[in-house]
Amino acid sequence: EDQVTQSPEALRLQEGESSSLNCSYTVSGLRGLFWYRQDPGKGPEFLFTLYSAGEEKEKERLKATLTKKESFLHITAPKPEDSATYLCAVQASSGTYKYIFGTGTRLKVLA
Amino acid sequence: EAGVVQSPRYKIIEKKQPVAFWCNPISGHNTLYWYLQNLGQGPELLIRYENEEAVDDSQLPKDRFSAERLKGVDSTLKIQPAELGDSAVYLCASREGTGELFFGEGSRLTVL
Repeated sequence: EDQVTQSPEALRLQEGESSSLNCSYTVSGLRGLFWYRQDPGKGPEFLFTLYSAGEEKEKERLKATLTKKESFLHITAPKPEDSATYLCAVQASSGTYKYIFGTGTRLKVLA
Repeated sequence: EAGVVQSPRYKIIEKKQPVAFWCNPISGHNTLYWYLQNLGQGPELLIRYENEEAVDDSQLPKDRFSAERLKGVDSTLKIQPAELGDSAVYLCASREGTGELFFGEGSRLTVL
C-alpha cells in the first residue's frame, strides 16, 4: 500500500537554528514527490517537485532532497515567517495521478 | 493570473442540513480535485475530475456527498444531509498536465 510518513509531527526552532524535516514514502513507482507549505486557515502552497533520487531543489532558506526511500526539507537559518505546516505528497506512477499526502510537520520558529 | 477560487470560506450549519461548496479552478487546468482535510491531517482525496468526467470517486461517501463539474470548468461539492463528522476543511485543487497541484483557500465547514 502506498504510504507517506512525515517526522517530526512538530518542531520548535530558535531563529537561525537550522534543521531538517523528513518525509518517508512507500510507493509502487514514484512519479513525483511534492513539498507544500500550509499556513493556518489557508490552502497548501506549492514549494518543490522532485522526480528522481539525487535530485535537489532550493528556494531561499529551503532545500529539498530526494533518495529512493525518503525526502528531506532542509531549513537553513530559519526566520519566524517560516513558521507553517509543511506537507509532503507523493504521486505514484501507477497511472491514476493520485497524490498521497503525509500528515505534515508543524514548524514554529521563535524570534 | 487568478488562482483557484473557493466559496464560501466558512459555513456553519445544523446537522441534517444541506451545504454546497463551489470551486473555480485556474484557467486551462483540466484536472480538478476535491480534498477533505481534518485538523492536523493531510488532505484526503474525495473526487478527481478530468474535464467534466469524474475519474476517481472511490473515496466519496456517495450516500450523502455528490459533486458535479458542468462544462469542465467550475465544480460544486454538495453534502446532504450533513453530519457532525463532516466538520472539516474542503479543499479544491487543479492541475495542468502531470505536475503539481494548486490549491484554493478551502471552505471550512462546522456542523452543529
